[in-house]
Amino acid sequence: DAKTTQPPSMDCAEGRAANLPCNHSTISGNEYVYWYRQIHSQGPQYIIHGLKNNETNEMASLIITEDRKSSTLILPHATLRDTAVYYCIVWFSSGSARQLTFGSGTQLTVLP
Amino acid sequence: DVKVTQSSRYLVKRTGEKVFLECVQDMDHENMFWYRQDPGLGLRLIYFSYDVKMKEKGDIPEGYSVSREKKERFSLILESASTNQTSMYLCASSLYGTGGTGELFFGEGSRLTVL
Repeated sequence: DAKTTQPPSMDCAEGRAANLPCNHSTISGNEYVYWYRQIHSQGPQYIIHGLKNNETNEMASLIITEDRKSSTLILPHATLRDTAVYYCIVWFSSGSARQLTFGSGTQLTVLP
Repeated sequence: DVKVTQSSRYLVKRTGEKVFLECVQDMDHENMFWYRQDPGLGLRLIYFSYDVKMKEKGDIPEGYSVSREKKERFSLILESASTNQTSMYLCASSLYGTGGTGELFFGEGSRLTVL
């Protein structure tokens, strides 16, 4: 079973911030939080990852709560091309890949 | 940039046929993975490999086998294809250990239809 819980779908207006939540209450101390997205008919694409500090790159920001039990991916100015399924996973890269599971993700629809 | 290439984007096979799905990565990654993706079920891990000739079962290995004779190539084999194996198959690779970020690099997927 996936170790994360995400809402199945969300809508966001174009140009507004999209905030995608993820619960990972059983995360262990050495596990990172990773976010990927999958645009229809393509393979998933890495977005960002973090351990405990907030992270930002050219695509998004990742906010991790202090207890690390949940996180939020922020797309600051959503565009129509951000419409995709977003997956949140937790993993320690030196751990067993047997634990590298994806749930069903969140279908984000950006509305014009 | 890392490139993960899957040999076929679309395949149509008949029940009982042996099917090979090939995946090649060009970044010398230790880890390679095979997932299948079905509507409403997300990505499910079939098998993964952390080194040449090494493999481990994922969540749904039944009906599949894998081969990793060279570091860059990871093959998924359906010994006798069945209609319930109609799916999108995704290959991925990653660098092992703390030397890498653990980021997975995915191929574009192979859509298999078994008639």
